[in-house]
Amino acid sequence: DQQVKQNSPSLSVQEGRISILNCDYTNSMFDYFLWYKKYPAEGPTFLISISSIKDKNEDGRFTVFLNKSAKHLSLHIVPSQPGDSAVYFCAASRDDKIIFGKGTRLHILP
Amino acid sequence: KAGVTQTPRYLIKTRGQQVTLSCSPISGHRSVSWYQQTPGQGLQFLFEYFSETQRNKGNFPGRFSGRQFSNSRSEMNVSTLELGDSALYLCASSFYTLGRGSTDTQYFGPGTRLTVL
Repeated sequence: DQQVKQNSPSLSVQEGRISILNCDYTNSMFDYFLWYKKYPAEGPTFLISISSIKDKNEDGRFTVFLNKSAKHLSLHIVPSQPGDSAVYFCAASRDDKIIFGKGTRLHILP
Repeated sequence: KAGVTQTPRYLIKTRGQQVTLSCSPISGHRSVSWYQQTPGQGLQFLFEYFSETQRNKGNFPGRFSGRQFSNSRSEMNVSTLELGDSALYLCASSFYTLGRGSTDTQYFGPGTRLTVL
């Protein structure tokens, strides 16, 4: 039973446009949510996180939104750049465990 | 500051064998977490070591074990390898333990690609 779901395995977005990556979770006890970016042959890189007491966190081109009632979070990348092409993992954390989604591959089109 | 290093980068073993993977965290980091990444299951948390003690454990069988040394370097061992153990094994280091609630200071290594034949 997947507690963290990324239902879109891949997403293609035109360069300069907004990329929106979605993530759903089932456990309301999670207290931190994180997004990681992964290039081939490299380990994941932390991007941005959000505490469950907030509904938005912004860092440069990256904004994460949290909708607790819907158990949904999303990552917005504006504007999308070629270097953003990668696999994006969302993760949820509660005290002693971190659970990842299966990832969404983002393709930025020229 | 040097990043997280993992050795070896690639490994081929046969069923029934055992394997030991090594992870050197960023200097000063005391927490090392291990993850398994497969195409079907994505990234899954194996366990975390902090100050030489296993703090947290994911849902993996006892064939998966680890340890951490006084210099924070960590090893992961998988015994009696199965075909399904073929995966990319990632380790991540952080200053604080995962138990702090926030894991946004985790830094990942490049991983060890294990193939079981």
